[in-house]
Amino acid sequence: NAGVMQNPRHLVRRRGQEARLRCSPMKGHSHVYWYRQLPEEGLKFMVYLQKENIIDESGMPKERFSAEFPKEGPSILRIQQVVRGDSAAYFCASSPPRGSNTGELFFGEGSRLTVL
Amino acid sequence: GIQVEQSPPDLILQEGANSTLRCNFSDSVNNLQWFHQNPWGQLINLFYIPSGTKQNGRLSATTVATERYSLLYISSSQTTDSGVYFCAVFYNQGGKLIFGQGTELSVKP
Repeated sequence: NAGVMQNPRHLVRRRGQEARLRCSPMKGHSHVYWYRQLPEEGLKFMVYLQKENIIDESGMPKERFSAEFPKEGPSILRIQQVVRGDSAAYFCASSPPRGSNTGELFFGEGSRLTVL
Repeated sequence: GIQVEQSPPDLILQEGANSTLRCNFSDSVNNLQWFHQNPWGQLINLFYIPSGTKQNGRLSATTVATERYSLLYISSSQTTDSGVYFCAVFYNQGGKLIFGQGTELSVKP
């Protein structure tokens, strides 16, 4: 039973380019969460999605950042026109459907974005 | 929103020593999780513990939900225990897991 899969594990972009991070939840999980960890800091919530729905995006920066979780395929976190301050580790987590949702989240290994 | 505070922020131990990490939270929660982030950055689930006590090898955790705190005990520490330990709480008002700032543990041989 594969865990939460994130790719790429490492991504290097130049300022102004776009970054796309992908997350496949655990089998049977329909809730996806994205978190950002800046260097030497804790994890900060960004967005919570279900299939084809954004449930809570209160942690997303107002510009340049977007997330989706389509009916088919992985969840995507997209950062347009990256700046150096976007350099961070981006973690994805998944949890089971709400009916059985205990709130327990399982995390992927993260995608580390470096902006030159 | 809910506040999650961990103490101490840093801890240095000699191999073989025991330690207690604390997590305080400011509101009622539906569940609480402890994680270990190893030096390679991986987040490892340690405990899912909304209340009560659980043990897993040299680690154990206790959550007293009515008093809004949780404790993580590490006994006979090993160098591989080094890393950052995070407490995170889930409450339905937010529908998301909120992390504390972590306790950075360094175990010296």
